[in-house]
Amino acid sequence: QQQVKQSPQSLIVQKGGISIINCAYENTAFDYFPWYQQFPGKGPALLIAIRPDVSEKKEGRFTISFNKSAKQFSLHIMDSQPGDSATYFCAASGYSGTYKYIFGTGTRLKVLA
Amino acid sequence: DTGVSQDPRHKITKRGQNVTFRCDPISEHNRLYWYRQTLGQGPEFLTYFQNEAQLEKSRLLSDRFSAERPKGSFSTLEIQRTEQGDSAMYLCASSPTGATNEKLFFGSGTQLSVL
Repeated sequence: QQQVKQSPQSLIVQKGGISIINCAYENTAFDYFPWYQQFPGKGPALLIAIRPDVSEKKEGRFTISFNKSAKQFSLHIMDSQPGDSATYFCAASGYSGTYKYIFGTGTRLKVLA
Repeated sequence: DTGVSQDPRHKITKRGQNVTFRCDPISEHNRLYWYRQTLGQGPEFLTYFQNEAQLEKSRLLSDRFSAERPKGSFSTLEIQRTEQGDSAMYLCASSPTGATNEKLFFGSGTQLSVL
């Protein structure tokens, strides 16, 4: 119940295309859903996050879509650029004594020039 | 805001040796987390501090692992009698104290290789 399932494992997109990464969770106590971007040799960096009281959040080229009833959320990267090539992790957090994050297994995105 | 700092960035050790890593969180952040990340996987929670109190430990944290956060400032993670399975990136993260979950800021990690 603590797992966050992420797909696909890897993704190749042409420059200018849309990258879509999906995540699903089971624990209904989760109430914060961030996406992190990680480059090789670096720690994850927060990209965008959403709470379940809204169905969509957009920041620049990055959009989170959230479906509370299906317990799913997704990251859309519009106009994907080669600089977006990185590993993306979804995560979920909810109060359980602490606010620790549970991370998905990651999606390695490659954007072709 | 100088970010979360971790030291060393890389550590190579022989099996059976002890290693210690240090994390300096963002100065005004009271919450501090340690995560472990292996190749091709997402970060896995190890332990959590609220100020100097260690409030949660994952079952991944065997008795060979110990973490401290004296005076609620920097934190150390020690691994005793290292094993090859301990090879991973050890990530520290911090967040400000609040009534709800907050953004988690990660350091660049310490890459441990156990030979």
